[in-house]
Amino acid sequence: GAVVSQHPSWVICKSGTSVKIECRSLDFQATTMFWYRQFPKQSLMLMATSNEGSKATYEQGVEKDKFLINHASLTLSTLTVTSAHPEDSSFYICSAPLDRTVSRQETQYFGPGTRLLVL
Amino acid sequence: SQQGEEDPQALSIQEGENATMNCSYKTSINNLQWYRQNSGRGLVHLILIRSNEREKHSGRLRVTLDTSKKSSSLLITASRAADTASYFCATAPSGGYQKVTFGIGTKLQVIP
Repeated sequence: GAVVSQHPSWVICKSGTSVKIECRSLDFQATTMFWYRQFPKQSLMLMATSNEGSKATYEQGVEKDKFLINHASLTLSTLTVTSAHPEDSSFYICSAPLDRTVSRQETQYFGPGTRLLVL
Repeated sequence: SQQGEEDPQALSIQEGENATMNCSYKTSINNLQWYRQNSGRGLVHLILIRSNEREKHSGRLRVTLDTSKKSSSLLITASRAADTASYFCATAPSGGYQKVTFGIGTKLQVIP
């Protein structure tokens, strides 16, 4: 099946630094990828939709300048948490749908997640 | 905003028993999906049911969908300790089929 990878899986950084998280579709092309954030014992909250070759679409309440998204190729989207603070500590997960255009039914394939801890 | 709401939020059963989790949602959907998440890990897609389907099976999993009640259920039969995980339903809205919204999840513990 389709595989999505994320790198790094774990990152610890000091407050004020920027952290880049990569999401790759390994064996399929993804014109769209999604970025989620999950706080402990909570559900996944959609942060933004990453679109290859165009600007990302952010959900309400998500700061565009804080969470920079770049979808430079059909297999790679990056999320950069700029000037990270302790409240940004969370589990970040990306996903990419495998589009079955004819039926418009698709399955989301999720990356393994990146755990960010900001000290 | 959270569309799906799972019920119960936590479930503890003995190995071999069946586990049933429910999900309710609020708006029209294109499809509903169930995912499993082991602690601290990514999500694994379990099953997708379309809005025009009422029931679907995959191995020990059975999913039902009642669009009139805007609800779905996930049944895991003959549960195993390895089924211990959090289970989320996710809805894809009509017209915006790629963008899914997750419920709050049900944490299932299967006791050996």
